[in-house]
Amino acid sequence: AQKITQTQPGMFVQEKEAVTLDCTYDTSDPSYGLFWYKQPSSGEMIFLIYQGSYDQQNATEGRYSLNFQKARKSANLVISASQLGDSAMYFCAMREGGTNAGKSTFGDGTTLTVKP
Amino acid sequence: DAGVTQSPTHLIKTRGQQVTLRCSPKSGHDTVSWYQQALGQGPQFIFQYYEEEERQRGNFPDRFSGHQFPNYSSELNVNALLLGDSALYLCASTGTGDRAAGGTEQYFGPGTRLTVT
Repeated sequence: AQKITQTQPGMFVQEKEAVTLDCTYDTSDPSYGLFWYKQPSSGEMIFLIYQGSYDQQNATEGRYSLNFQKARKSANLVISASQLGDSAMYFCAMREGGTNAGKSTFGDGTTLTVKP
Repeated sequence: DAGVTQSPTHLIKTRGQQVTLRCSPKSGHDTVSWYQQALGQGPQFIFQYYEEEERQRGNFPDRFSGHQFPNYSSELNVNALLLGDSALYLCASTGTGDRAAGGTEQYFGPGTRLTVT
């Protein structure tokens, strides 16, 4: 069964600094995708970054990068140069099976607060 | 290009009633998934529709049912509402793209906030 663990209920970071949000996963399927989403207080789930299990390089999208350590089953999100608008809930999610449309399993999220 | 849309935005129902939530996927997407997100938790997968059929289902009772129409839009129906059904209901769509393991990114709608009293 799929499982996502986010061990940091809350994180604080100073504006303009970098922050790492932790995510570990468990799956027996060799083919899977890992996702990070941002959910502001408005409730909408905003896609940030994707990493495929067969991707050789860590994914990057602007200020977001995913530190993918396959052997450790770890997929940490790194946000560089934090901004006040980054304050939100962040979810790590996984989709198994190598299909392009399967169910996603989410972690319980990390609340990030950026301090001015 | 319209993203995923959901209606209504908010809904208040009484225990025992029935509710229907609606979702229109992002243009070009043919697969719709529904999630329930309780306050302070991550979304939980309810089910997924593709080609008008339920393709996968999470651990939810039969009170939760759905439908997908030929235009790929979808409905989530919940019967005999319980207080515990109060949550944010999220719809997500994906397309049949060519991506590596795990597939294309999943786009979410703004959600429907359901309150059961």
